[in-house]
Amino acid sequence: QVQLQQSGPGLVKPSQTLSLTCAISGDSVSSTSTTWSWIRQSPSRGLEWLGNTYYRSHWYYDYAVSVKSRITLNPDTSKNQFSLQLNSVTPEDTAVYYCARRGNAFDLWGQGTMVTVSS
Amino acid sequence: DIVMTQSPDSLAVSLGERATINCKSSQSVLYSSNNKHYLAWYQQKPGQPPKLLIYWASIRESGVPDRFTGSGSGTDFTLTISSLQAEDVAVYYCQQYYSTPYTFGQGTKLEIK
Repeated sequence: QVQLQQSGPGLVKPSQTLSLTCAISGDSVSSTSTTWSWIRQSPSRGLEWLGNTYYRSHWYYDYAVSVKSRITLNPDTSKNQFSLQLNSVTPEDTAVYYCARRGNAFDLWGQGTMVTVSS
Repeated sequence: DIVMTQSPDSLAVSLGERATINCKSSQSVLYSSNNKHYLAWYQQKPGQPPKLLIYWASIRESGVPDRFTGSGSGTDFTLTISSLQAEDVAVYYCQQYYSTPYTFGQGTKLEIK
C-alpha cells in the first residue's frame, strides 16, 4: 500500500528553520512518472502549494514565488523520502503542512503536520 | 498565477438531493497537446488531508462513489453530487495543476439541510 509518512517538529521559533520529512512507501522518490510536493493550509491563506521536486534524468525543483527565497526541497534516494526546509519563519508560516504525490493530480497525501511558529 | 474561484462558499442540501459546486479558473487549464483539462476536485473532512475525487475535470478516482461527477471545460467546471449522503458533509476544493504554482479554490462547505 502506497503511503506518505510525515515527521518533524510541531513548534518552531521565529527566525528559525522549519524542517519536515516525508517518507515514501510503495513508490519511489526517483519515479519518472510522479512529482513530490509540499502544500500548506491555514485559515488565512487556504491551501497553498509551496513547491515540488521530481526526477527526469536529473532532479528538478519548482518553488512558489511567495517562499522562493526561503525554501529548499531535498530528495533523498537512499531513504526514499523528501524533505522541506523553510528558513526565517514568522508567525505567518503557522499552518498544517502536507506532503503530496502528484500522479493523476494530487492523489496521495501525508497525514499533515501542524506547525506553529511561536517563541 | 491562475486564480481559482468557487461558488458558493457554503451550501446546505437535503439528504438525497443534488448538490452542485462551481469552479472558475482565471485562464484556460486545457492542455491542447493532449486535450485534457488539468482540473481536480478534492474532498476534505475535519482533521484529514484532502482526498482526490476527480481529475482531468471528469475522471473519477478509484473508489470514489459514482454519485460524484465532474464536468465542464475551458474555464468553467462543476462538481455534482447526485444524491447527498450524510458522509458527504465536507469542504470541497477545486485545483488547477496546469501550471505552477498549482492553485486551489477557496473551498465550498457542504452541509445537510
